[in-house]
Amino acid sequence: GAVVSQHPSRVICKSGTSVKIECRSLDFQATTMFWYRQFPKQSLMLMATSNEGSKATYEQGVEKDKFLINHASLTLSTLTVTSAHPEDSSFYICSARDPSRGNYGYTFGSGTRLTVV
Amino acid sequence: DAKTTQPTSMDCAEGRAANLPCNHSTISGNEYVYWYRQIHSQGPQYIIHGLKNNETNEMASLIITEDRKSSTLILPHATLRDTAVYYCIAPRGDRDDKIIFGKGTRLHILP
Repeated sequence: GAVVSQHPSRVICKSGTSVKIECRSLDFQATTMFWYRQFPKQSLMLMATSNEGSKATYEQGVEKDKFLINHASLTLSTLTVTSAHPEDSSFYICSARDPSRGNYGYTFGSGTRLTVV
Repeated sequence: DAKTTQPTSMDCAEGRAANLPCNHSTISGNEYVYWYRQIHSQGPQYIIHGLKNNETNEMASLIITEDRKSSTLILPHATLRDTAVYYCIAPRGDRDDKIIFGKGTRLHILP
């Protein structure tokens, strides 16, 4: 149980375009999901907390107008990288917690490798 | 989150037990210790968690000191597929608290 699906796994886009990444909780409802970014040889950096039905909470230094987060249902959160630039190329990972599993922690998606050319 | 400290990297021979330490001296009473690992280009994978007692599952064992200031993750018979970055995390006990990752330990399993 507690599976999180992330799509697409890889995407290449041209500079200046926007890219949407989807994160779905397949077998549980997640009122809260989290978005991370990871550069090569670095740890995961939390970007924002996505709350179902309300605005996302962004970590300090993360541009909310550039990284649009929508959490319209209990099983889906999306991250849109707007006007992407090569420096936005990174590995993006989402996470969700199944509240019914108590302290069994968080489940992570398999990540999306974004390359901006 | 309680601050955690882990060695940057470790080597372990294939077939031997891998013991990964973590220091979490500022952990508070209701904060669990979680261990995740990340294999290259994949999302983190849950391994095990505990509060006070030692824990064991099909993947690993978790030994927590009595004062809860440190813990050790044990992979009893390491294989090459256990090569990964291992993260020790102690998030706050809030219901929707976020997980903040440190730098973790890069474990190399040597053939």
